[in-house]
Amino acid sequence: NAGVTQTPKFQVLKTGQSMTLQCAQDMNHNSMYWYRQDPGMGLRLIYYSASEGTTDKGEVPNGYNVSRLNKREFSLRLESAAPSQTSVYFCASNLANEKLFFGSGTQLSVL
Amino acid sequence: AQKITQTQPGMFVQEKEAVTLDCTYDTSDPSYGLFWYKQPSSGEMIFLIYQGSYDQQNATEGRYSLNFQKARKSANLVISASQLGDSAMYFCAMREAAGNKLTFGGGTRVLVKP
Repeated sequence: NAGVTQTPKFQVLKTGQSMTLQCAQDMNHNSMYWYRQDPGMGLRLIYYSASEGTTDKGEVPNGYNVSRLNKREFSLRLESAAPSQTSVYFCASNLANEKLFFGSGTQLSVL
Repeated sequence: AQKITQTQPGMFVQEKEAVTLDCTYDTSDPSYGLFWYKQPSSGEMIFLIYQGSYDQQNATEGRYSLNFQKARKSANLVISASQLGDSAMYFCAMREAAGNKLTFGGGTRVLVKP
């Protein structure tokens, strides 16, 4: 059972570089999410997609863009990475009103 | 204002004892859900327990129980008979009716001592 799959698991970027974090789920979930977790802190919502074709800003959307490519895939793009975006990124998905299933996370360092 | 507050940044518990992790929340929605997740040092997020705002009874899942006090807006997690493997970060989260997204608290780190 794959569940929620994120790639890559680790990434180091230089300031100003761009990259896309990929996320796919095979549970036929309608909703998908991107969270970031800074050291010793809780998860903060960056963007989410309640259903295919829709995306909405979360708590900390600045510096990020997302694409809900289809029902399975939800990508997060950093157009011009900044050191403040050094964090662990989690993708998650769920059906309406149910628990979130999380990916294993992407550890991103921006130098 | 914080929607989810976990006031205990860290705590120690003796193996085999019970521990209570505090969580208070703030919402004006009558319909909401409360979740607890565990994050071990390996980093994955593990779902533990769920309580709906209209649930009449406190949720239980094995050694985990949720002490839900609606009037106080608190949803404390109780772990009974602590094990060394319970050492982890624990996060409380809330889903409000307006939207399907979860808002997380800052977490509590639990260290179980042998």
